[in-house]
Amino acid sequence: QQQVKQSPQSLIVQKGGISIINCAYENTAFDYFPWYQQFPGKGPALLIAIRPDVSEKKEGRFTISFNKSAKQFSLHIMDSQPGDSATYFCAASMRGNQFYFGTGTSLTVIP
Amino acid sequence: GAVVSQHPSRVICKSGTSVKIECRSLDFQATTMFWYRQFPKQSLMLMATSNEGSKATYEQGVEKDKFLINHASLTLSTLTVTSAHPEDSSFYICSARDEGAGRAFFGQGTRLTVV
Repeated sequence: QQQVKQSPQSLIVQKGGISIINCAYENTAFDYFPWYQQFPGKGPALLIAIRPDVSEKKEGRFTISFNKSAKQFSLHIMDSQPGDSATYFCAASMRGNQFYFGTGTSLTVIP
Repeated sequence: GAVVSQHPSRVICKSGTSVKIECRSLDFQATTMFWYRQFPKQSLMLMATSNEGSKATYEQGVEKDKFLINHASLTLSTLTVTSAHPEDSSFYICSARDEGAGRAFFGQGTRLTVV
């Protein structure tokens, strides 16, 4: 059973546009929701994370929107750049335990 | 944030040999570490949970005799892939739980290629 569902599977965005990736979760006990960026051949790197006591967190061009009642969270990449082209994974965990990952979104930013 | 070091980053081994991967928490003690595997173009899947001083807990479908996990100290867990075969070629990633931070941190991952 997929604990965290992620969409879309792939995304193509024009340079300067907004990339939006969505995730939904089932377990209301999750208390930590990170987004990871992964380039080919590299490990996942933490991009930004949020806890359920806030509805939005912004770091530079990256924003997480969190909707606790809908059990959904999303990543927004503003002013998308070709260097942002990578695979993005959402994840969820509770009390520092194992991460449950989404299936990943392959983002391509076209110059 | 806390630092988790994984070694080696890349390893190529012959079929039938064993490979050991180390995961170290550098600036915190980790009673619990996690081992994940990622096949090409797929998501990360939990293989096992490693607890210091006790046996690891394996996820369904993961062979405990093939993937030996040892967590002998509060800062080190090892994953040994025994009698490796080409189908074991994958990206293996560990994470260690930092109780103080209330979350786990990832290592850099190990790319295993079995030829």
